[in-house]
Amino acid sequence: AQTVTQSQPEMSVQEAETVTLSCTYDTSESNYYLFWYKQPPSRQMILVIRQEAYKQQNATENRFSVNFQKAAKSFSLKISDSQLGDTAMYFCAFMNSLGNDMRFGAGTRLTVKP
Amino acid sequence: NAGVTQTPKFRILKIGQSMTLQCTQDMNHNYMYWYRQDPGMGLKLIYYSVGAGITDKGEVPNGYNVSRSTTEDFPLRLELAAPSQTSVYFCASSYKLSGNSPLHFGNGTRLTVT
Repeated sequence: AQTVTQSQPEMSVQEAETVTLSCTYDTSESNYYLFWYKQPPSRQMILVIRQEAYKQQNATENRFSVNFQKAAKSFSLKISDSQLGDTAMYFCAFMNSLGNDMRFGAGTRLTVKP
Repeated sequence: NAGVTQTPKFRILKIGQSMTLQCTQDMNHNYMYWYRQDPGMGLKLIYYSVGAGITDKGEVPNGYNVSRSTTEDFPLRLELAAPSQTSVYFCASSYKLSGNSPLHFGNGTRLTVT
């Protein structure tokens, strides 16, 4: 079974600075999808960014970018120019090629300090 | 466009009671999912459905039942509530069973079993 590990339970960053959240995963599949979700105190799950394993180019969405290292099974999220509204839990997630099995990491609580 | 709507938002149950968590979506998505989120953990898939009349087990199905009589609704049933089922429950839907089709989440139901 696939597993997703987020080794940083909590992190903090000063407003306007850059922070990187780590994620590693384990799978025997060659094609799959990886995601970062944001969960603010409102509890809503919000998709931040998505990466397809067969694409070598790292995904970017405005201030959010990933460093996808397929051989190392690593998928880190970089947040640039951190804003107070980025304060939230961040979950890394893996989806298999069939789309019927999605596994989440335990999450990283990010606090952006003014 | 309401998206995915879950009711109730909060519920307290006594051990052995039963209840149904309601989920409805107005996006005409064929695929729907139920996840649970335990404190300090990521989401785990309970059941999913690929269309009306078709459901399948996820990672943690024990103690739950689902049905899918319409495209819009995907209720989750707890028959004999146990303290281990204290959790936040999320319903989600997607257009396809694929990582190219993002999950749309409801706002969750916080359930406490005492």
